[in-house]
Amino acid sequence: AQSVTQLDSQVPVFEEAPVELRCNYSSSVSVYLFWYVQYPNQGLQLLLKYLSGSTLVKGINGFEAEFNKSQTSFHLRKPSVHISDTAEYFCAVSPWGASKIIFGSGTRLSIRP
Amino acid sequence: NAGVTQTPKFQVLKTGQSMTLQCAQDMNHNSMYWYRQDPGMGLRLIYYSASEGTTDKGEVPNGYNVSRLNKREFSLRLESAAPSQTSVYFCASSEAEREAFFGQGTRLTVV
Repeated sequence: AQSVTQLDSQVPVFEEAPVELRCNYSSSVSVYLFWYVQYPNQGLQLLLKYLSGSTLVKGINGFEAEFNKSQTSFHLRKPSVHISDTAEYFCAVSPWGASKIIFGSGTRLSIRP
Repeated sequence: NAGVTQTPKFQVLKTGQSMTLQCAQDMNHNSMYWYRQDPGMGLRLIYYSASEGTTDKGEVPNGYNVSRLNKREFSLRLESAAPSQTSVYFCASSEAEREAFFGQGTRLTVV
């Protein structure tokens, strides 16, 4: 079975400060990794994904994430946040060979001016 | 470009009533999913369908049934609604394990 742990339920940061949202996963098989963003009263949209290759992946809106296999982590980073980044962020895994996607509990990012 | 369409957007049920949430995708994806979202618990997988004609239980299947009617449509049925099923329900589709595309959600309240 797979599980995803997002250690921080809420992360407050000041505008233009850097941010890191943490994600750790557990799986007995290899997985694909994703970060999704959910703006208020909307569905989820993909920020970025790791399927294979370079462990540093870049996504939309200036976000990037690094896959660390030894630590089973996939932390999301942005060097300088903007008010418009206020949203809830979800880490997700999908095991190879199985058509299911498991999500973490989410991290609410709040940006202070 | 409709993507994933869910109906209805809002619903209020009385305890014990039944209803079906509808979902359709126009991206020719093989895999479809139903999730529920509750505060502080993220998205939990209820059921998924890897291809037309197959369905599998996810993390929280109790109290729900699903039907993969054809490649486009995947419905979720609550046979006897309970207050614990008050939630926001999301349908999604993907091509195998790749990126999932989500509908706008159905906000269900059971009183």
